[in-house]
Amino acid sequence: QQQVKQSPQSLIVQKGGISIINCAYENTAFDYFPWYQQFPGKGPALLIAIRPDVSEKKEGRFTISFNKSAKQFSLHIMDSQPGDSATYFCAARVNEKLTFGTGTRLTIIP
Amino acid sequence: DAGITQSPRHKVTETGTPVTLRCHQTENHRYMYWYRQDPGHGLRLIHYSYGVKDTDKGEVSDGYSVSRSKTEDFLLTLESATSSQTSVYFCAISAATSGGGETQYFGPGTRLLVL
Repeated sequence: QQQVKQSPQSLIVQKGGISIINCAYENTAFDYFPWYQQFPGKGPALLIAIRPDVSEKKEGRFTISFNKSAKQFSLHIMDSQPGDSATYFCAARVNEKLTFGTGTRLTIIP
Repeated sequence: DAGITQSPRHKVTETGTPVTLRCHQTENHRYMYWYRQDPGHGLRLIHYSYGVKDTDKGEVSDGYSVSRSKTEDFLLTLESATSSQTSVYFCAISAATSGGGETQYFGPGTRLLVL
């Protein structure tokens, strides 16, 4: 049972544009929602995270928007750069365990 | 990198042979995890540990066993490797974030090919 659904599977954005990745969850017991960035041949690295009592969190060019009633959250990358090209995973935590989305391969083109 | 190392980093083995992957951490974290990563599936939890000798199953635990005899080491064993276990395996620990929460940090991964 997939408890975290992530879309799109792949995304191509022009340099300087806004990249948006969406996730939806079912389990209302989730209490923490991190996003991970992964480059080829590397392990996933924590990018930004949010708690469900906050509607938005911003760190530099990266913003998480969280809609508790809709059980959805999204990652926005402003002014996208070629160095942002990577695979992004959303995740949700309950009882010290993470459930991951299936990932979005983001490509930033010049 | 949260002080996590994995060994070996690459391994090729034959169907039916046992394989053990090692995860080593240097910062005394209580929780450790093993995941596998496959295209189209993201990361899936195999087993996790919440202390020495304390382990529990994840969502894809069949065919895998784990052991944790020391805080710093978490071993994943494939008793009799099958081709379906060809994957990239990641170890993770749970640690505090700079924002005051706690989440998981990942090792560099082990790429396993079962022929």
